[in-house]
Amino acid sequence: GAVVSQHPSWVICKSGTSVKIECRSLDFQATTMFWYRQFPKQSLMLMATSNEGSKATYEQGVEKDKFLINHASLTLSTLTVTSAHPEDSSFYICSAPGTSAGDTQYFGPGTRLTVL
Amino acid sequence: AQSVSQHNHHVILSEAASLELGCNYSYGGTVNLFWYVQYPGQHLQLLLKYFSGDPLVKGIKGFEAEFIKSKFSFNLRKPSVQWSDTAEYFCAVGNTGFQKLVFGTGTRLLVSP
Repeated sequence: GAVVSQHPSWVICKSGTSVKIECRSLDFQATTMFWYRQFPKQSLMLMATSNEGSKATYEQGVEKDKFLINHASLTLSTLTVTSAHPEDSSFYICSAPGTSAGDTQYFGPGTRLTVL
Repeated sequence: AQSVSQHNHHVILSEAASLELGCNYSYGGTVNLFWYVQYPGQHLQLLLKYFSGDPLVKGIKGFEAEFIKSKFSFNLRKPSVQWSDTAEYFCAVGNTGFQKLVFGTGTRLLVSP
């Protein structure tokens, strides 16, 4: 099946710094990728839709200037958390839709961000 | 707006017990329904999905789910759980392009040996 990877799997940073998270589709191309955020013991909340070659679409309440998304190629999307604060600490997960008819989304393993 | 509710937040069962996890959704159009599982330390994996046709859907590892349109429900079932089924289970609904997914809050299942 299709594989989506994320890097890094865990990152700790100081408050005020920026952190970049990569999401790659390893064996298929993805013109669209999705970024989710998962708080402890809560569900996944869609943050934004990353579109290759165009601007990302953000969900209501998500600060686009804080969570910068770049879909640089058909296999790579990046999420940059700018000027991170402790409240940004969370589990960030990306996904990409499969390319076959009737296919579903494939999820990355997630990146745990801890902001000190 | 789409929403998904899962009634059970934590479920504890003994091995061989039967499982049913509730999922209700709210959506005004044609929906695609999914159950995902997240084993400890692993990423989300698809258990099963419903797009159309037979409302009783069979998935991997002996799981099945029934889509009841009149009740806006898509409950997950397994006749006999195993210790290895310990995981978190998420119900999700997507539009016909199965692009955006809206997830329920998840159910943590603990199966004791």
